[in-house]
Amino acid sequence: NAGVTQTPKFRILKIGQSMTLQCTQDMNHNYMYWYRQDPGMGLKLIYYSVGAGITDKGEVPNGYNVSRSTTEDFPLRLELAAPSQTSVYFCASSNQGYNSPLHFGNGTRLTVT
Amino acid sequence: AQSVAQPEDQVNVAEGNPLTVKCTYSVSGNPYLFWYVQYPNRGLQFLLKYITGDNLVKGSYGFEAEFNKSQTSFHLKKPSALVSDSALYFCAVRDMNRDDKIIFGKGTRLHILP
Repeated sequence: NAGVTQTPKFRILKIGQSMTLQCTQDMNHNYMYWYRQDPGMGLKLIYYSVGAGITDKGEVPNGYNVSRSTTEDFPLRLELAAPSQTSVYFCASSNQGYNSPLHFGNGTRLTVT
Repeated sequence: AQSVAQPEDQVNVAEGNPLTVKCTYSVSGNPYLFWYVQYPNRGLQFLLKYITGDNLVKGSYGFEAEFNKSQTSFHLKKPSALVSDSALYFCAVRDMNRDDKIIFGKGTRLHILP
């Protein structure tokens, strides 16, 4: 059982380039999340989805886009990369319901120069 | 809006001593509270949760946490620290009125000194 899988693990982008961070889960979870982690800032919610075809903004959505065409996949798109988007990105999923913990991927480390 | 505060950036504890990592929260409804641990270059791992019932909840690796409604706190504890407990710990809250969003604190780095 793979859980939550994120690709790539590392990426270096030039300013203005675009890329998609991939996230897939095999636990049939309805809820999926994208967080970014910056030193001393904890995790900030970028976007989340409560099911296929439904997405919503989190705390820091600017500069990002998401889609949820299937239950399994929740890609995060950066259209015009900026140095402020240098961070570690984590995808997570959970069952619906208040008592369900999140299952995290191992993260994607992105550097924008 | 819901929020979580972890007032300590770092906590140092000698091996074998008890440890406490502090967390306070703010939500509009009843809180659902979680603790996660992060080891280097890994994603977060679930440790324990409080939903309802007993104020003292037990979780993985000998950790426990105490829910205090009047102080809006959910401190993580362990009676006897191990060097292997050294990691980054995150407190998180889910609002009962909006179970879709989970908000995390800034994290507390725990150093267990041999």
